[in-house]
Amino acid sequence: DAKTTQPDSMESTEGETVHLPCSHATISGNEYIYWYRQVPLQGPEYVTHGLQQNTTNSMAFLAIASDRKSSTLILPHVSLRDAAVYHCILANQGGSAKLIFGEGTKLTVSS
Amino acid sequence: EAAVTQSPRNKVAVTGGKVTLSCNQTNNHNNMYWYRQDTGHGLRLIHYSYGAGSTEKGDIPDGYKASRPSQENFSLILELATPSQTSVYFCASGNSAETLYFGSGTRLTVL
Repeated sequence: DAKTTQPDSMESTEGETVHLPCSHATISGNEYIYWYRQVPLQGPEYVTHGLQQNTTNSMAFLAIASDRKSSTLILPHVSLRDAAVYHCILANQGGSAKLIFGEGTKLTVSS
Repeated sequence: EAAVTQSPRNKVAVTGGKVTLSCNQTNNHNNMYWYRQDTGHGLRLIHYSYGAGSTEKGDIPDGYKASRPSQENFSLILELATPSQTSVYFCASGNSAETLYFGSGTRLTVL
């Protein structure tokens, strides 16, 4: 599986819109971009995923560059509950869920 | 709602002792996974299973065994625990990358 690169940490304030970047320059054509998040003392939780088109759900908006070499997870109006480590992962949809987790981006939200 | 339950939540073991970590899922997922998480590392895959009776080696299987006696249960076994196996262990079940559910983790300390 191709590798992703994320910043180690980002800071935000409640109510802000946060943009979490992810670089995946060597992504292959059949790889989807997945985002998981992990709050302290819990296992990771699925956030969203996409292949080429931008996607949105109740948790976040995923913007994917036209060349697919980067993506951005956008969290609108963050609250303290959004403080977590966010992981950007490449995997084949529907295939094995053997996900390879990096260290992710630690998002800090202050009031 | 998808559920993955790990037991125990915390465990202290002595070097050379045998440790068994248990995981139960009520999601009827074929695939189950064991990861460990250490400071400075993302989650690393130890063993996984495609169904009852099946176990496969992940990326860091040395020093660990796994057992999948039924669809619902997946155990991780440390026959001779060492201090280097002190970590937080996560179990997960899921048939695809977008349906991966994690337990709350087991914190293992080997003295």
